[in-house]
Amino acid sequence: EAEVAQSPRYKITEKSQAVAFWCDPISGHATLYWYRQILGQGPELLVQFQDESVVDDSQLPKDRFSAERLKGVDSTLKIQPAELGDSAMYLCASSRAGGQPQHFGDGTRLSIL
Amino acid sequence: KQEVTQIPAALSVPEGENLVLNCSFTDSAIYNLQWFRQDPGKGLTSLLLIQSSQREQTSGRLNASLDKSSGRSTLYIAASQPGDSATYLCAVPQAAGNKLTFGGGTRVLVKP
Repeated sequence: EAEVAQSPRYKITEKSQAVAFWCDPISGHATLYWYRQILGQGPELLVQFQDESVVDDSQLPKDRFSAERLKGVDSTLKIQPAELGDSAMYLCASSRAGGQPQHFGDGTRLSIL
Repeated sequence: KQEVTQIPAALSVPEGENLVLNCSFTDSAIYNLQWFRQDPGKGLTSLLLIQSSQREQTSGRLNASLDKSSGRSTLYIAASQPGDSATYLCAVPQAAGNKLTFGGGTRVLVKP
């Protein structure tokens, strides 16, 4: 089965700058998730899409984070302005539908200086 | 609010020994439970998914059990190998389509 693609793999930027992450889910997967994983902890959901619609963004810091999945396929997660506490691994996952196994990409490691 | 705990946080065993990894959750009304493996700097690889109606699931050297009433799942890895060294995470959704709540993971080191 094809993999979930994420880019970039690594991103280093200074605080107050804008950063963006991209995710291309497995073809045919309607549900897409963005998670944030702080070192030594389990991932926490930031936002969940069903096709192009947001179904859960309760844990997304909306004053600085935004996410979109305009055509219901690939997705972009943006942070502006970045803060030191945003340093983490950002993981994208997809599944055929809610309740089906989630398949994860290799993530984007973000470091804020 | 569902909370998922994995103890111990780290485990070191000699090659060939069986591994026993524990996962506990506070709300037993789960839809399923999933075990993942994560290598350093990588994403998560799904190992096993147990539906709420199942008691266990097996894949090769891996066996996962689920006891909903006590809020526990155990992942057994038989005859451990150095290649099994990784972090193992368990996760539960409350219902179909719901977000996964993850434990903090158990970091495993299998010494040759």
